[in-house]
Amino acid sequence: KNQVEQSPQSLIILEGKNCTLQCNYTVSPFSNLRWYKQDTGRGPVSLTIMTFSENTKSNGRYTATLDADTKQSSLHITASQLSDSASYICVVSDRGSTLGRLYFGRGTQLTVWP
Amino acid sequence: EADIYQTPRYLVIGTGKKITLECSQTMGHDKMYWYQQDPGMELHLIHYSYGVNSTEKGDLSSESTVSRIRTEHFPLTLESARPSHTSQYLCASSLRTDNTEAFFGQGTRLTVV
Repeated sequence: KNQVEQSPQSLIILEGKNCTLQCNYTVSPFSNLRWYKQDTGRGPVSLTIMTFSENTKSNGRYTATLDADTKQSSLHITASQLSDSASYICVVSDRGSTLGRLYFGRGTQLTVWP
Repeated sequence: EADIYQTPRYLVIGTGKKITLECSQTMGHDKMYWYQQDPGMELHLIHYSYGVNSTEKGDLSSESTVSRIRTEHFPLTLESARPSHTSQYLCASSLRTDNTEAFFGQGTRLTVV
């Protein structure tokens, strides 16, 4: 069964600190992995997208890594800001179906305190 | 910022009413999707479309229906709303090719009383 598991479920950090969010998946055949940021009550916004051949990608203070062999990804946030408080969702797309089906994790709820 | 719009943002409606949630995108994307998301839970695909006159049911059973008469427009209709339909509904679109970004609308928060 294609699944995406994220950890931790929730995380509280102080402003200015770094943090790392984890994502494990069993989606096969793998096409790409995306990290989205979702503010409360709003739609997800894309942070990064990585294909099989990419093992790291950065977007400002966000750096995602991908290990396609172990089927793991992480999202590292540097120098956190209050505006980083949101749910971070790992999304994996399969290959081999015309839809390019997206499989969603439940997200990690990040809270940044001043 | 993505050019995909959902209306209304919030809707409170009585049981048995017919409702249509609107979704429009101006990016010329072929693929469009409807997802349902409950608080703290993952998104579940309820409908998708590859293009005009193409609609398919997703993974999550839903009593809603969709139509795709124009590329830019993908409305979702509930013929008779029930309290169990209370949820957040998210519309998304993407290009037909793989490894392209999916853009999401802001969502419609539906409450059926």
